[in-house]
Amino acid sequence: ETGVTQSPTHLIKTRGQQVTLRCSSQSGHNTVSWYQQALGQGPQFIFQYYREEENGRGNFPPRFSGLQFPNYSSELNVNALELDDSALYLCASSHNGQGANTEAFFGQGTRLTVV
Amino acid sequence: AQSVTQLDSQVPVFEEAPVELRCNYSSSVSVYLFWYVQYPNQGLQLLLKYLSGSTLVKGINGFEAEFNKSQTSFHLRKPSVHISDTAEYFCAVIRSSGGSNYKLTFGKGTLLTVNP
Repeated sequence: ETGVTQSPTHLIKTRGQQVTLRCSSQSGHNTVSWYQQALGQGPQFIFQYYREEENGRGNFPPRFSGLQFPNYSSELNVNALELDDSALYLCASSHNGQGANTEAFFGQGTRLTVV
Repeated sequence: AQSVTQLDSQVPVFEEAPVELRCNYSSSVSVYLFWYVQYPNQGLQLLLKYLSGSTLVKGINGFEAEFNKSQTSFHLRKPSVHISDTAEYFCAVIRSSGGSNYKLTFGKGTLLTVNP
């Protein structure tokens, strides 16, 4: 158990819809990163939030957006869903928003299926 | 930019046999290296990491890895595997300093299947 919880665990959405995924970080952690893991692939970095600000972003379009709240929990929002957005979405929690992120703890993920 | 190549997509072995999962990386800057394990329908669990110091790193569940800077490799080994080691294994790197040192870059994974 990492103390990082994600909800929901599974989700089915229709193409064009919007989705919100949630992540509760481990106690004492102020940084949350989101990754997308397509079937048969390694995780790909989407973005990171540190103290409620976006701290870095990967190669994902603007329809992928996020929020971090004062309690350091986080949301990932995806608008205008496409079939290729079907994936496991992983949240990683850590304490160091500055410096190399070497202590990331991952949640169990949310499996999103777009039909 | 960094990249990670895991040379084998699948590795089948028999129980109690030794195993090596290969990982090579490419980076123009100094990096830290990691191995994660993912069991079916689970998130990622850190097995071990190399930040500095001894190039032989020991992790959980009897796994170890050796950092070889000249060959830009970080291969994972276990002398005797168990059925319960069946899982997907991911090698990852992160910049040790400078821009984008907040994101892990992962390989595509190696599926280790341990047969009785």
